Amino acid sequence: AQRVTQPEKLLSVFKGAPVELKCNYSYSGSPELFWYVQYSRQRLQLLLRHISRESIKGFTADLNKGETSFHLKKPFAQEEDSAMYYCALKGTSYDKVIFGPGTSLSVIP
Amino acid sequence: EAGVVQSPRYKIIEKKQPVAFWCNPISGHNTLYWYRQNLGQGPELLIRYENEEAVDDSQLPKDRFSAERLKGVDSTLKIQPAELGDSAVYLCASSSGLTLSGEKLFFGSGTQLSVL
Repeated sequence: AQRVTQPEKLLSVFKGAPVELKCNYSYSGSPELFWYVQYSRQRLQLLLRHISRESIKGFTADLNKGETSFHLKKPFAQEEDSAMYYCALKGTSYDKVIFGPGTSLSVIP
Repeated sequence: EAGVVQSPRYKIIEKKQPVAFWCNPISGHNTLYWYRQNLGQGPELLIRYENEEAVDDSQLPKDRFSAERLKGVDSTLKIQPAELGDSAVYLCASSSGLTLSGEKLFFGSGTQLSVL
């Protein structure tokens, strides 16, 4: 069965410090992985997707098939990065998108 | 572009009452999702539409929940009768389907339901 886990419910880092939000998944094939973000009082929105190999707002994420992980990283956290972050998975082209439980990131000034 | 539009934003009802949520997806988006998000948790899929066809409704509690997407555009999600445990945020999302960059979901603002 497809499953996404995010072990940290809350993560606090100081401004300028590196940040890593963990995501692990269960899926037997080659899934599509995404990170979605929800800033305060805003709607849920796509941050980045592994297939694009993109860097958005300084964030990157690498898919590690051996460890079934897709951790989100940023070398220097900013206050505006404080938000809820959700890792998401789509199994095949015809599959649904499922979400992890989310990690609340708080960047301390 | 207004994006995905949902209404109402908030709804308070007593248990055993019916309730309906409405979603207008982005123009041209064939795929529409309904998710339920409980406090402190991630969105959980209820149903997914491709045009007017429900292609995945395995997690929709069919004894009390129903959904429709007439003409493959707007969609309505209904609960009848509502129970206390249905209190949650109901999210609608749409996408244009699979692209070379993968599927990108656009979310509405959600409807926050409180069942008293």
